[in-house]
Amino acid sequence: EVQLVQSGAEVKKPGESLKISCQGSRYSFTNYWIGWVRQVPGKGLEWMGIVWMGSSYPGGSDTRYSPSFQGQVTISGDKSISTVYLQWSSLKASDTAMYYCARAKYSTSSDDAFNIWGQGTMVTVSP
Amino acid sequence: DIQMTQSPSSLSASVGDRVTITCRASQGISNYLAWYQQKPGKVPELVIYAASTLQSGVPSRFSGSGSGTDFTLTISSLQPEDVATYYCQKYDSVPLTFGGGTKVEIK
Repeated sequence: EVQLVQSGAEVKKPGESLKISCQGSRYSFTNYWIGWVRQVPGKGLEWMGIVWMGSSYPGGSDTRYSPSFQGQVTISGDKSISTVYLQWSSLKASDTAMYYCARAKYSTSSDDAFNIWGQGTMVTVSP
Repeated sequence: DIQMTQSPSSLSASVGDRVTITCRASQGISNYLAWYQQKPGKVPELVIYAASTLQSGVPSRFSGSGSGTDFTLTISSLQPEDVATYYCQKYDSVPLTFGGGTKVEIK
């Protein structure tokens, strides 16, 4: 079964850095874009950005961000371990949310629906 | 950027009722529209893609229609297990924006 497995819940203080992960399995990892989606408790889904680890670009990845999250987070990956990351350099209380990774339905398509979702990583930022 | 507006934000209907949720794009997006179901405390799941194509494994009481700017998700006969929040998402080009969600409850 195709799977995305995310890292565990995190509790951090404002100003701290954080990197959470999402590992794909049982499919050709470099053929599919993987996105990140934020869900603040009690609120809706927000598309943050998407990354492709099969790119011929220097560094081997291609990343697109939502204007709302550009400069606020960094999306990256390591194709040797089929993993993508979402990271913050300085967390704020407003970053408290559930973060989902999700895979595009079709191979090599960045503009696509998400048919495979990770289980979510809860990030809590509190003094 | 294109905005996605869903209506209503919530609804309550009886088991067996026909339920319709609307999603409107601020600009045309052809048929690049997906619908997701998120049950309470669970991960979102893809229900419909390409505006009207049912994702494998989804019950046939779910259907989608529309093109351009106006889209609908219909549940032909509401069941207790359909209690969830439903989100539309455009995917014609980044950013792949979600609508605000429609919470469906049983009356």
